[in-house]
Amino acid sequence: DGGITQSPKYLFRKEGQNVTLSCEQNLNHDAMYWYRQDPGQGLRLIYYSQIVNDFQKGDIAEGYSVSREKKESFPLTVTSAQKNPTAFYLCASSIGTGLGETQYFGPGTRLLVL
Amino acid sequence: AQKVTQAQTEISVVEKEDVTLDCVYETRDTTYYLFWYKQPPSGELVFLIRRNSFDEQNEISGRYSWNFQKSTSSFNFTITASQVVDSAVYFCALSEITDTGRRALTFGSGTRLQVQP
Repeated sequence: DGGITQSPKYLFRKEGQNVTLSCEQNLNHDAMYWYRQDPGQGLRLIYYSQIVNDFQKGDIAEGYSVSREKKESFPLTVTSAQKNPTAFYLCASSIGTGLGETQYFGPGTRLLVL
Repeated sequence: AQKVTQAQTEISVVEKEDVTLDCVYETRDTTYYLFWYKQPPSGELVFLIRRNSFDEQNEISGRYSWNFQKSTSSFNFTITASQVVDSAVYFCALSEITDTGRRALTFGSGTRLQVQP
């Protein structure tokens, strides 16, 4: 089955710790995205990648880092510089980054700070 | 001003009632796309529909229908004969080109729909 997988489903972070969220897709999509969702709010773009070995900052990139070494994978690292990391993180992919491209989403990772 | 406004934070209906979720958007572009997504309690966003700015035809898919009106910058979503499985948060989103030339997908804050049995 084609789709997007995210792991883990729940992640706990201690103070000062970096954590990495996994996102894998087997849809053969070129573009991938990371969004953050806070309670009662819409999604905000953290980073996106149009193609392998390339990525761009979104609207709230501070405290986060990404890599895109393989087409299928786009991991997100939440660094200790992100002071308020508790949120629901959603990964998405699309065939391209054209205006009308539909983004398809994974099941999400919920990050909690201990 | 918000680019995508979903003024209804939460709606509660009884099963079999019809319900309309409102979405008002703001853009200076003449070419843009609008989307609706469903987020069930599991958390994953499920794509429902995409509409471009040049196509104002209303669309019906089973119990779902969408009314796009450029004159009022609205893209409303109606569920006919609602069912408990329709309970979810629904997001409207606008795709446009930003001032920096980047494609941006801007989400509204969502409407939580609760369908009571």
